[in-house]
Amino acid sequence: QVQLMQSGAEVKKPGASVTLSCEASGYTFTSHTIHWVRQAPGQGLEWMGWINADNGNTRYSQNFQGRVAITRDTSASTAYMEVSGLHSEDTAVYYCARGIGTAAGVFWFDPWGQGTLVTVSS
Amino acid sequence: SYELTQPPSVSVSPGQTASITCSGDKLGDKYTFWYQQRPGQSPVLVIYQDAKRPSGIPERFSGSNSGNTATLTISGTQPMDEADYYCQAWDSTAGMFGGGTKLTVL
Repeated sequence: QVQLMQSGAEVKKPGASVTLSCEASGYTFTSHTIHWVRQAPGQGLEWMGWINADNGNTRYSQNFQGRVAITRDTSASTAYMEVSGLHSEDTAVYYCARGIGTAAGVFWFDPWGQGTLVTVSS
Repeated sequence: SYELTQPPSVSVSPGQTASITCSGDKLGDKYTFWYQQRPGQSPVLVIYQDAKRPSGIPERFSGSNSGNTATLTISGTQPMDEADYYCQAWDSTAGMFGGGTKLTVL
């Protein structure tokens, strides 16, 4: 079945960077996009950006432009997201999700990874 | 910037119908998607393209979208449906979520 397996929890100091991974299985990796969504403790979902797993094109939320970079390794069926300049407000669970979309660039997310908790604390 | 507004909470008795709304300017002109998130779990897609159900999602889940409001309807609500529900849409190339609605089944 289609699965997304994410890397383990991270603890970082303010100002540091973190790179999260998301390994896909059960489908052709390059046939879909991968999106990243985060959820701060007790809060809602926030879309961060996506990567076209085929050509590597990316799109980011304006809220994270310049601080987030999404890449992929097609040979490993894995997407990565680096978040730099971390501060305490970045403490959250970060999810990756497969994007299923239309030619118009409208995607829905199915399935989701299990999430990675990133804690930013001095 | 475009915003999606959901009620923070909705309560329903078991076996009754629950309706969760999602409002946005001319939302009916966009596709809306709905996700269920049980405590401590990852979100799960329950409705896509306004009204379509993914395989494995019970028939009691349905959706509609018109004007400025999209609605997720759960008919014959069961205790297992107690969860947070999020609507999602696209504003040009930016993905966005509603603030989420906590559905309580009591």
